[in-house]
Amino acid sequence: QKEVEQNSGPLSVPEGAIASLNCTYSDRGSQSFFWYRQYSGKSPELIMFIYSNGDKEDGRFTAQLNKASQYVSLLIRDSQPSDSATYLCAVPNQGGKLIFGQGTELSVKP
Amino acid sequence: GAVVSQHPSWVICKSGTSVKIECRSLDFQATTMFWYRQFPKQSLMLMATSNEGSKATYEQGVEKDKFLINHASLTLSTLTVTSAHPEDSSFYICSARLDTDTQYFGPGTRLTVL
Repeated sequence: QKEVEQNSGPLSVPEGAIASLNCTYSDRGSQSFFWYRQYSGKSPELIMFIYSNGDKEDGRFTAQLNKASQYVSLLIRDSQPSDSATYLCAVPNQGGKLIFGQGTELSVKP
Repeated sequence: GAVVSQHPSWVICKSGTSVKIECRSLDFQATTMFWYRQFPKQSLMLMATSNEGSKATYEQGVEKDKFLINHASLTLSTLTVTSAHPEDSSFYICSARLDTDTQYFGPGTRLTVL
């Protein structure tokens, strides 16, 4: 089992819909969780982080964490074509290195 | 969010030459910086962890004599690709750690070796 797994893409949603991106992790002791967005040809950009169980909202983005089930998700409301990118879930290991999922490619169709 | 810069943003060099890439944290001090490499359509690959004032820690399979890392200050780390060859052509990205876990990435440097 991979340490961090994301649902396979590509994920295609129509403009204005909610995009749901999921991530599971294997280390039950993990405390912090990050979502990065990476546009094609660009470097990753931090968009959300979450430490506590429950929801964390920032504009159109909501991160959801369930430590008991070991999953973290990212919801994007009112999806826009500009949200089309690869979304990376990342969990630090005990050495402080980020362990990335394989990424989910999101395509928002006008 | 915290800002990390990289210079140059792209570089083209001849095979056999060395290339230096700078990574700077502009508005915070970073005791730890990381260097990644990404080939087209592939995942980020961590190359090394750079700690201010000490030797870098390289990931398995990364040649430390080829990829020289220096972290001389709390805001600057450099990666030098020595004797570059076409197979070293890639997208090199640094990140700087703000607190215990949060990493902010630089914009990346695209290296093309002819």
